[in-house]
Amino acid sequence: QVQLVQSGAEVKKPGSSVKVSCKASGGTFGDYAISWVRQAPGQGLEWMGRIIPFIGLPTHAQKFQGRVMISADKSTRTAYMELSSLRSEDTAVYYCARNSTAFISWGQGTLVTVSS
Amino acid sequence: EIVMTQSPATLSVSPGQRATLSCRASQSVSINLAWYQQKPGQAPRLLIYGASTRAPGIPARFSGSGSGTEFTLTINSLQSADFAVYYCQQYETERTFGQGTKVEIK
Repeated sequence: QVQLVQSGAEVKKPGSSVKVSCKASGGTFGDYAISWVRQAPGQGLEWMGRIIPFIGLPTHAQKFQGRVMISADKSTRTAYMELSSLRSEDTAVYYCARNSTAFISWGQGTLVTVSS
Repeated sequence: EIVMTQSPATLSVSPGQRATLSCRASQSVSINLAWYQQKPGQAPRLLIYGASTRAPGIPARFSGSGSGTEFTLTINSLQSADFAVYYCQQYETERTFGQGTKVEIK
């Protein structure tokens, strides 16, 4: 069974970038997609995009086109989400989730705080 | 983008009673619909996929139904552990979530 462990909390300045990692342990890595979902404080879930590590081509939600980059390194079994041009509205918990169709398992979440 | 709309926003239910949650899609998603439960400070947990198939380890009191644009999550005999926020999600085209329904103790 695949477990996903994410990197730690980050505090960033407006206009900067953040890169969050998601390391898979156990099971297979590469043939399932890894999606990224964020949740602003007190708000709902928002899908950002996904990647199938075996293929390597990411899909990004239209809202984040041009500002998000999702990648994966099969050798280290790690997926990444980089969000640029950060603004205060990007303050949220960012989750990675393993999915073929529905999101089978989730990382523990990474809090990203954007503040001057 | 397929928009998912959940109702009601908040549902007050007494322990032991039934909760019925609704989810509507702006266009057909066939049965490509999942339900998740989220408790404060925790990641979401998959309950139902394929509109009606329970995920491994999910109790039988959780059931899902529907297809196309209208879906329902039913929780029978609500237990204390079931008071949480529930989200529907379509995976017909990309992925989008509903805004959530909070199930609270009446």
